Amino acid sequence: EVVLTQSPGTLSLSPGEGATLSCRASQSIASDFFAWYQQKPGQAPRLLIYGTSSRAAGIPDRFSGSGSGTDFTLTIRRLESEDFAMYYCQQHTGSHYSFGQGTKLEI
Amino acid sequence: QVHLVESGGGVVQPGGSLRLSCAASGFSVRSSGMHWVRQVPGKGLEWMTSLDEIRTYIADSVKGRFTISKDTAKNTLHLQMNSLTIEDTAIYYCVKDRTGHGAFDYWGQGTLVTVSS
Repeated sequence: EVVLTQSPGTLSLSPGEGATLSCRASQSIASDFFAWYQQKPGQAPRLLIYGTSSRAAGIPDRFSGSGSGTDFTLTIRRLESEDFAMYYCQQHTGSHYSFGQGTKLEI
Repeated sequence: QVHLVESGGGVVQPGGSLRLSCAASGFSVRSSGMHWVRQVPGKGLEWMTSLDEIRTYIADSVKGRFTISKDTAKNTLHLQMNSLTIEDTAIYYCVKDRTGHGAFDYWGQGTLVTVSS
């Protein structure tokens, strides 16, 4: 079972700044099967990035994903007020899926 | 346009059963990978179970208690939950797969299951 560990737990930034969120896996993951989600209070999660670096439909290009093996990164350029939310990473390996514990991006 | 609407949540006693449904529109559940993901309010996301065209996957935490199924005639996904415990209290989301990437593409609004005596 693959365990995903996100860091930091909370990230405090201001609008206009850039954000870097990390996710480390307990074992190597195929790049095709790694994703990032955004969740705002009272809402269902929304897919941001799939296949490590492909943006989902409607996701602004200030969001980008990168990484390989066990280390993956979500980068958000020029934060806007709507970007302050929870972010989760997720992987699929074999017959198992798992999420990281989340990073809270706060103003 | 893809749309998922869960139903069937509510309050159930420990040891009881509940069946969740997810009505899908804008695509066919028959040819799509589908998932159930849950979230304890205020906590993180937990994958429960998945069903593609031929295979079922299930998390160890609910193996033997939860069963995922599709009603292709009604384009609906189900989750049968038995032997419920307090730890199963959560919002349950129905999710459509991002084909070929093992990602959770479209989410329903969720249905709350509360296990309490």
